[in-house]
Amino acid sequence: NAGVTQTPKFQVLKTGQSMTLQCAQDMNHNSMYWYRQDPGMGLRLIYYSASEGTTDKGEVPNGYNVSRLNKREFSLRLESAAPSQTSVYFCASSVFENTEAFFGQGTRLTVV
Amino acid sequence: AQRVTQPEKLLSVFKGAPVELKCNYSYSGSPELFWYVQYSRQRLQLLLRHISRESIKGFTADLNKGETSFHLKKPFAQEEDSAMYYCALGTDKLIFGTGTRLQVFP
Repeated sequence: NAGVTQTPKFQVLKTGQSMTLQCAQDMNHNSMYWYRQDPGMGLRLIYYSASEGTTDKGEVPNGYNVSRLNKREFSLRLESAAPSQTSVYFCASSVFENTEAFFGQGTRLTVV
Repeated sequence: AQRVTQPEKLLSVFKGAPVELKCNYSYSGSPELFWYVQYSRQRLQLLLRHISRESIKGFTADLNKGETSFHLKKPFAQEEDSAMYYCALGTDKLIFGTGTRLQVFP
């Protein structure tokens, strides 16, 4: 049982480049989330999807877009990467928004 | 606005000492509160949730609605408890505090 799988695990981008972080879960969860983790800032919610076909902004959505492709997959896109987006990104899923969340292993992104 | 506050960035104790990691929340409704833990090189994982009222690895947390707090406690810290701890609030989304790093020295 894979749980929540994120790809890639590591990525280095140049300023202005674009990329998509992929996330898939095999637990039939309704809710999915993208967070960024920065030292001293904790986990900040970028976007979330309460159910297939819906997405909503979180605390720090600027510079990002998301797609809930189907119930399993929730991708995060950086259209024009900036050094301020250097961070560790986590995807998570849960049955509902107020139930236990399961996390991916994280993607360490560096923008130079 | 929904908010989770963890006032301590770092908490250092010696093995066998009591531990209390503080968490306060801001939410006008009935909250779902969680503690998550991230051990070195491991995924973030659920430690406990208030609704289950159980003790996990010797940790307990009590929801105090009057003080809007959900502090995590353990009477005798162990070295293997060293990790990053996050308090989280589940409403129409799941938001986290800034985390507290617990260091337990031998």
